[in-house]
Amino acid sequence: KQEVTQIPAALSVPEGENLVLNCSFTDSAIYNLQWFRQDPGKGLTSLLLIQSSQREQTSGRLNASLDKSSGRSTLYIAASQPGDSATYLCAVSQTTSGTYKYIFGTGTRLKVLA
Amino acid sequence: DTGVSQDPRHKITKRGQNVTFRCDPISEHNRLYWYRQTLGQGPEFLTYFQNEAQLEKSRLLSDRFSAERPKGSFSTLEIQRTEQGDSAMYLCASSLATDTQYFGPGTRLTVL
Repeated sequence: KQEVTQIPAALSVPEGENLVLNCSFTDSAIYNLQWFRQDPGKGLTSLLLIQSSQREQTSGRLNASLDKSSGRSTLYIAASQPGDSATYLCAVSQTTSGTYKYIFGTGTRLKVLA
Repeated sequence: DTGVSQDPRHKITKRGQNVTFRCDPISEHNRLYWYRQTLGQGPEFLTYFQNEAQLEKSRLLSDRFSAERPKGSFSTLEIQRTEQGDSAMYLCASSLATDTQYFGPGTRLTVL
């Protein structure tokens, strides 16, 4: 059974710092991995999608890497801003009889202090 | 694309009542997913539709839960005889084939 773990559970940093969020998964047979952002009481916003054949994806100040063999992904946020404060969720997609459902971690709550 | 929409955004009900939520996916997305998220946890998969066919249901989806997607367009999730443990955020997502899943804003259910 796939399990996704995110470390740390919470993180508080001063504005301007570069930071790394970690995600690990127990079964390397994934279809893709996606990082999401969730603001309090809101839905999920997709940040980056990495296909299983890819090693990394970049969007603006965000860079996500994937090491499928070791079951790890990292989300790197450069020059953090107070607006980056949110919960970041990692999800892996596995295909079960054609269902590409996501299995989520419990998230990292990020607070960027002005 | 107007994005995935969900209605209502908030629902407060008394234990034992029935509730129904609606999800409108991004047009032309043939895949639709329902997830449930409790406080402090990541979303958990409930069920999946490809077009109008419900192809997978999680064990989390007890007999009190039913989902439909008539004509492969919008979807409804009904909970009968609600219990306090049903209180959660119910999230809907849609995708085109195996592409990125796009999530709606969710329906927050509170069962008193």
